[in-house]
This record gives sequence, C-alpha cells and structure tokens, in this order.
Amino acid sequence: GAVVSQHPSRVICKSGTSVKIECRSLDFQATTMFWYRQFPKKSLMLMATSNEGSKATYEQGVEKDKFLINHASLTLSTLTVTSAHPEDSSFYICSAETDLNGYTFGSGTRLTVV
Amino acid sequence: GENVEQHPSTLSVQEGDSAVIKCTYSDSASNYFPWYKQELGKRPQLIIDIRSNVGEKKDQRIAVTLNKTAKHFSLHITETQPEDSAVYFCAANLYGQNFVFGPGTRLSVLP
Repeated sequence: GAVVSQHPSRVICKSGTSVKIECRSLDFQATTMFWYRQFPKKSLMLMATSNEGSKATYEQGVEKDKFLINHASLTLSTLTVTSAHPEDSSFYICSAETDLNGYTFGSGTRLTVV
Repeated sequence: GENVEQHPSTLSVQEGDSAVIKCTYSDSASNYFPWYKQELGKRPQLIIDIRSNVGEKKDQRIAVTLNKTAKHFSLHITETQPEDSAVYFCAANLYGQNFVFGPGTRLSVLP
C-alpha cells in the first residue's frame, strides 16, 4: 500500500537551532500533505496543510515563520522548526492523501529541544 | 469547521469485559471515521475505520458503529485483554480535508 516515509523518527536539538522533518511519499504522488502536532498526553492537532507548489495554509495560532513548510514536489514535504525552544518539544506527524478516499500517515518524529 | 468530542476521557475495565468509547462530530458532511490506538511513546495506529455509507463494521474483537443522523460513532472492544490498554483516538474526516481528532480516551484493562 501507499507509504509515507518520515524522518527523523527522533531528534534532540539544542535550543535556538533548527530542525527539518521530511515526509516522502514512496509510491504515490502526495498532492496534499497535512502536518499534525501532538503534545504529551494530548490529541493530534492540525498545524498546517501544504499543497504541492503553493504556500501552506496554517491553522490559527501556528506561527508560519517558526514552522516552515515546503512542498516543492509531489513526493516530498518538509517541516522546519526554526529557532526551536523547549516548548516546541512535541510529536510531529504528517499525513497524505493517497487516492480516492485513501490516507496514510508518516511514522512520526519525536522532537526534544533541550 | 468540524468538532469532535470523545467520551470518556479515561476508562478502566476488568480483563474480559467490554469497553465502549463514544465520539460525536458536528459536520454532517464528514464521511470517514477512523479509530486509532496509541501506545506509550508510539505513533497512533489505525485499528478500524468506517465510512458514512455503512452503519457497522467488525474486525474480530473490535467493532465500530455509526449513527449518521445523530452524528455519533462508537468503538466497541469485546473480551478486553491487558494489551488493549492504550490511548484511543477517534477522528472525523471529509476527503480532501484534514482529520479532526477527538481528545482521546485512556483505556486501562485490569488483570
């Protein structure tokens, strides 16, 4: 079936540095990619929707200058957490539409900012 | 937009008993309702889903029911086992839109 490869699975970074998370669709073209965030013991919340070749649409309260999303090709979408701070520590996961009524999730990235 | 509520937030059952988790949604256009199980430190895993053209779906010990009129759907786990202990999330979706997740239910199966 359709697979989205997400890397890295875990990352620890120092406060003030930037981290890039990649989601790559392996055997299909992901026109739309959704990025979710999950705080500890909380539910998944949509951060932004990215469409190939256009600017991402961010949910209210999500800083677009801090969470940079690039969807330059039909197989790759990236989320860059810029100038990360401890409060950005979270679980980030992407989700892509595969075909009619089909979805797949990436494996998730656990970010810890120290 | 869509809003999903989920109850209860925590649920403890004795091993072998049944567990039921209920979700309600607000957008009648939503047509896909998956359930996810998340074990500690792991990603959510899809365990069962149902589309709006179906009222019930069953997979071994797990079943999901959907009431489109009332806009609610439920997860039923029978003959619970300790390995069923996890956090369960429901979600509602309309194809082309994002998933909206419920707040989660922490299920504990007591031996």
